[in-house]
Amino acid sequence: EIVLTQSPGTLSLSPGERATLSCRASQSVTSSYLGWYQQKPGQAPRLLIYGASSRATGIPDRFSGSGSGTDFTLTISRLEPEDFAVYYCQQYGYTPLHFGGGTKVEIK
Amino acid sequence: HVQLVQSGAEVKKPGASVKVSCKASGYTFTSYDMNWVRQATGQGLEWIGWMNPNSRNTGYAQKFQGRVTMTMDTSISTAYMELSSLRSEDTAVYYCARAYSDRSGYYTDGFDIWGQGTMVTVSS
Repeated sequence: EIVLTQSPGTLSLSPGERATLSCRASQSVTSSYLGWYQQKPGQAPRLLIYGASSRATGIPDRFSGSGSGTDFTLTISRLEPEDFAVYYCQQYGYTPLHFGGGTKVEIK
Repeated sequence: HVQLVQSGAEVKKPGASVKVSCKASGYTFTSYDMNWVRQATGQGLEWIGWMNPNSRNTGYAQKFQGRVTMTMDTSISTAYMELSSLRSEDTAVYYCARAYSDRSGYYTDGFDIWGQGTMVTVSS
């Protein structure tokens, strides 16, 4: 099974700053099957990025995804107040469809 | 408006079973697989399994094999997830989430719509 490791565990930044989140897979993942989700307290996760780099419907262009093979990145170009949340990566190409452990982006 | 609406919170005793429902609206129910994911308080997301509404094929994470059963009633666009032999570690919020699969059976767009979650508490 493919294990996803996210880093850092917590990212402390100020509004307006750039956030770079990492997701590393234990074996190669086809880019088509890598997604990123945002979750705020008390809410269900929301799909941000699918296919490693495609934004889901309604997602602002300050969110971007990149990467291939075993290393993937989610970048938030300029943090807005509503972006402070927990972010998860997921590979959905091969069962079990594991999620990474998450990165919390908190206000510095 | 595409949405998944789940059943309400449940409190169960250890050893019991729980069945959570997920009613879909705003799209063709049979065009998407349904997945189930859970999240213990303060923890990450844990994938439980999937079901295809046409073939009725299912796939479960090994951890839940033998304890989980996923079913669907396509006439009312509703998916169900039943977990048996409950223990305290099963206390969590359970989510349903749809996913579109291509002709090869691979998901192409991730889990794009999620239910609001159902809190299941297992306590004696």
